[in-house]
Amino acid sequence: LAKTTQPISMDSYEGQEVNITCSHNNIATNDYITWYQQFPSQGPRFIIQGYKTKVTNEVASLFIPADRKSSTLSLPRVSLSDTAVYYCLVGGHTGRRALTFGSGTRLQVQP
Amino acid sequence: DAGVTQSPTHLIKTRGQQVTLRCSPKSGHDTVSWYQQALGQGPQFIFQYYEEEERQRGNFPDRFSGHQFPNYSSELNVNALLLGDSALYLCASSLKGGEGSGTDTQYFGPGTRLTVL
Repeated sequence: LAKTTQPISMDSYEGQEVNITCSHNNIATNDYITWYQQFPSQGPRFIIQGYKTKVTNEVASLFIPADRKSSTLSLPRVSLSDTAVYYCLVGGHTGRRALTFGSGTRLQVQP
Repeated sequence: DAGVTQSPTHLIKTRGQQVTLRCSPKSGHDTVSWYQQALGQGPQFIFQYYEEEERQRGNFPDRFSGHQFPNYSSELNVNALLLGDSALYLCASSLKGGEGSGTDTQYFGPGTRLTVL
């Protein structure tokens, strides 16, 4: 399984754009990149998934360079409610794969 | 459309006891996966069920067992509880999905907080 590396923590202020980068040097050809968000004492919530280039939805954007050895989750204009742990995962594109979570990035948004 | 539900919300047990946690998947989903999340750590995969059988298993001892019912709901059983079993237990449901189907997302429930004293 491809191992991921992401910062342990990040701080930001309301209204700023936050970019969280994840390294996955050993990503396989068939692997997709998925990001989850988790609030304290709640289950992780799917944010975005991509394979290459750029993916955007109503919550975030995901930038993936051509070599796919890293990816960047971009959260536009964060608010206090975006304070959470963000996990980067890589793996096959099937609902039946065992998800492998690292320690995630703890984002703290200040007023 | 009901999401993933888990019961109970919280549970307190003592060492050596047995516990059963329950999960109802999101409507239309047929696959249930269980994860254990210790404080400050990411979730760790325990096992997965579909078609009423255990299909994949993570690095957890046989004290952890499960079951899936014909209605796709699932139970997680833990025997001979240890202090180290204290954690948030998460259930995730999904469909098989696959490339281009857009249906491979795993949806998590709120979890059951188990405390072993």
